[in-house]
Amino acid sequence: GEDVEQSLFLSVREGDSSVINCTYTDSSSTYLYWYKQEPGAGLQLLTYIFSNMDMKQDQRLTVLLNKKDKHLSLRIADTQTGDSAIYFCAERPTTTDSWGKLQFGAGTQVVVTP
Amino acid sequence: DTEVTQTPKHLVMGMTNKKSLKCEQHMGHRAMYWYKQKAKKPPELMFVYSYEKLSINESVPSRFSPECPNSSLLNLHLHALQPEDSALYLCASSQLPGQDTGELFFGEGSRLTVL
Repeated sequence: GEDVEQSLFLSVREGDSSVINCTYTDSSSTYLYWYKQEPGAGLQLLTYIFSNMDMKQDQRLTVLLNKKDKHLSLRIADTQTGDSAIYFCAERPTTTDSWGKLQFGAGTQVVVTP
Repeated sequence: DTEVTQTPKHLVMGMTNKKSLKCEQHMGHRAMYWYKQKAKKPPELMFVYSYEKLSINESVPSRFSPECPNSSLLNLHLHALQPEDSALYLCASSQLPGQDTGELFFGEGSRLTVL
């Protein structure tokens, strides 16, 4: 199957910007997503980007997509302690028999220190 | 209403027990999913239902039996589980391809412990 890769850990100081990176391999993906998971909770959709876009901004969140390099990043401005969580990137395949199989990365554990 | 509701939140069962996990959504989504998640790992897809029919079974052992009674409900029946089946079980729903941006909405999960 296709692989989605992420770095596993990021430590950031409160007030700084965080950048979480992700690479994917399925060039036919239409939508790419960022999910946040706090301890003991389900996955919360943070934002998504359509594959024909380069950038999307939503309040403190900025998503950058480099389709040539199959690289996706999530920047969180002014990181707060409440941003401590695991962040998953995910891609949705477009093939008919795989549409339901969202491909998740391994997740990046973000720890925000005071 | 953008919620997916899962019950129970916690379940402890023995290897000979029969139990069920339940999931409900009222967003009009026609696709519903079961995922299994181990600690610090991404969710692993188990089953996908579209229009109340099972469309994807990721080679899940038969001790897990899904059921979709109607478009809003999804159950996961559990029987003769093993301790290694202990995990967080996540339900999700979405629209079908081409109908919107395709994101999955997740419930808070059911934490299952098999003794």
